[in-house]
Amino acid sequence: NAGVTQTPKFRILKIGQSMTLQCAQDMNHNYMYWYRQDPGMGLKLIYYSVGAGITDKGEVPNGYNVSRSTTEDFPLRLELAAPSQTSVYFCASSYDRDDEQYFGPGTRLTVT
Amino acid sequence: AQSVTQLDSQVPVFEEAPVELRCNYSSSVSVYLFWYVQYPNQGLQLLLKYLSGSTLVKGINGFEAEFNKSQTSFHLRKPSVHISDTAEYFCAVSSYGGSQGNLIFGKGTKLSVKP
Repeated sequence: NAGVTQTPKFRILKIGQSMTLQCAQDMNHNYMYWYRQDPGMGLKLIYYSVGAGITDKGEVPNGYNVSRSTTEDFPLRLELAAPSQTSVYFCASSYDRDDEQYFGPGTRLTVT
Repeated sequence: AQSVTQLDSQVPVFEEAPVELRCNYSSSVSVYLFWYVQYPNQGLQLLLKYLSGSTLVKGINGFEAEFNKSQTSFHLRKPSVHISDTAEYFCAVSSYGGSQGNLIFGKGTKLSVKP
């Protein structure tokens, strides 16, 4: 199993550009999550999904959108990138709500 | 609302010394507790978790943690650390019976093990 994979690993965006961060898992997990990690701030939940077709907002959803058309994939869309979105983004998945979350390697995004 | 406080942002320690990383939480309902480790330029991986039962939980790499409900704490310990334990450690809490997707992370503690 590859576990949780994320692409790209690094990206530099100009202010106002858009992009999609890709996330895929091959563990048949129901739950998927997107977090952002800023230095000294821990991880903040952006969006999560409890299954295909079902998504909900986390703590910091503004400026982001998600979709979940399949069990495996959970892309995160950034529209109109802003410097405040410079961060490291992690995707995670779990079989059930209270199970261990498995994390991807992260995407380091810089908006200038 | 839940919150997690990791009392030390950085902990330097010499190799083979014991270490304790402190975590306190706040919640109005019963909780599940987790410790994750993040090695440089990698994602997080689970060290251990407390769901119910024995308050002393053993995890990977020789780490253990004790759930103390009266003190709302979940401190992580290792009796003898190695250079390879150098990493950032995150305490996290979720409530059962609460809303889904609400794993709350602390701000992290950077453990630096020196030879």
